Amino acid sequence: LAKTTQPISMDSYEGQEVNITCSHNNIATNDYITWYQQFPSQGPRFIIQGYKTKVTNEVASLFIPADRKSSTLSLPRVSLSDTAVYYCLVATGTNAGKSTFGDGTTLTVKP
Amino acid sequence: DTEVTQTPKHLVMGMTNKKSLKCEQHMGHRAMYWYKQKAKKPPELMFVYSYEKLSINESVPSRFSPECPNSSLLNLHLHALQPEDSALYLCASSQQGADYNEQFFGPGTRLTVL
Repeated sequence: LAKTTQPISMDSYEGQEVNITCSHNNIATNDYITWYQQFPSQGPRFIIQGYKTKVTNEVASLFIPADRKSSTLSLPRVSLSDTAVYYCLVATGTNAGKSTFGDGTTLTVKP
Repeated sequence: DTEVTQTPKHLVMGMTNKKSLKCEQHMGHRAMYWYKQKAKKPPELMFVYSYEKLSINESVPSRFSPECPNSSLLNLHLHALQPEDSALYLCASSQQGADYNEQFFGPGTRLTVL
């Protein structure tokens, strides 16, 4: 399993763009990169997933360089409600399971 | 319906009790998961079911016994638990065989073992 490394915590202010980087040096060819958001006492919620280059949806963008050894989750114009823990996972989608959550990044958005 | 439901929301049990956690999804997902999450820690994978068959057991103690009666339902039977088993137990589901692995999580069951 690819091990992921993320910053433990980050602070930001409302309206700013936040970039959270995840390192996954031993990512395998078939692995996808997935990001989840978790609020206290709730289950994680899928944010975005990608394999290479850039993926964008209505809430975030995911940037993956050509070597795929890292990825960056970009949250545009954060608000107080984006305060949460963000997890990066690297897993093979065709093999159900074997998704190991990293330690996560606690993002605190301040007014 | 893109929801995973879990019951009960909270459970308090003694070390000699037998209880069960229940998880249900109606998204047609054929992969279902149990995770354990301690406070301020990431979720830890416990079990994975694929097409109603146990495919992954992450060396979980036998006092935790999973069951998948059908494609929509996942149970976790608990017996003779220890206080250190107190945690948030999360259920998730995902499509099987897809080139991606978006897992849909339930809200969890907060378990306290006395």
